[in-house]
Amino acid sequence: KQEVTQIPAALSVPEGENLVLNCSFTDSAIYNLQWFRQDPGKGLTSLLLIQSSQREQTSGRLNASLDKSSGRSTLYIAASQPGDSATYLCAVNAGGTSYGKLTFGQGTILTVHP
Amino acid sequence: EAGVVQSPRYKIIEKKQPVAFWCNPISGHNTLYWYRQNLGQGPELLIRYENEEAVDDSQLPKDRFSAERLKGVDSTLKIQPAELGDSAVYLCASSTRDIPRGNTIYFGEGSWLTVV
Repeated sequence: KQEVTQIPAALSVPEGENLVLNCSFTDSAIYNLQWFRQDPGKGLTSLLLIQSSQREQTSGRLNASLDKSSGRSTLYIAASQPGDSATYLCAVNAGGTSYGKLTFGQGTILTVHP
Repeated sequence: EAGVVQSPRYKIIEKKQPVAFWCNPISGHNTLYWYRQNLGQGPELLIRYENEEAVDDSQLPKDRFSAERLKGVDSTLKIQPAELGDSAVYLCASSTRDIPRGNTIYFGEGSWLTVV
């Protein structure tokens, strides 16, 4: 059974810092990995998707990497801003007959203070 | 382009009462999902549809939960009767494997259920 762990559970940083959120998964046979952002009282917003054949994806100040063999992904946020404050979730898509059955980590609660 | 639309956003009901949630996926997305998210946890899949067909409902508590996706577009998730432990956020999501957006799963705002 796939298990996804996110470290740290919570992170508080001053504005402007570069930061790294970590995600690890136990079964390396994945189809893709997706990073989401969730604001309080809201649904999930997709940030980046990395296919299993890819090593990284970038969108603006965000960069996500994937090391499938070691079961790890990182989300790098450059020059953090107070508007980045949210819960960040990573999710693994097993593919095949389980396509779309995302296994989520419990999230990292990020607070960026001015 | 409109995202995944869900209603109602919030619902408070007494235990043993029925409740229904509605979802309209992104236009052209043939795959639709219902997930449940408990407080402080990541979402968990309840059911996945490919067009009208439920291809994975292994996590759906079938004694009280039911879902349908008539005509392969909108979907409804029903709980009857509701129990206190059903209090959660019910998230609908959709996706398509068509390039260039292939494989990204898009979520709605969720329906927040409180059972009292």
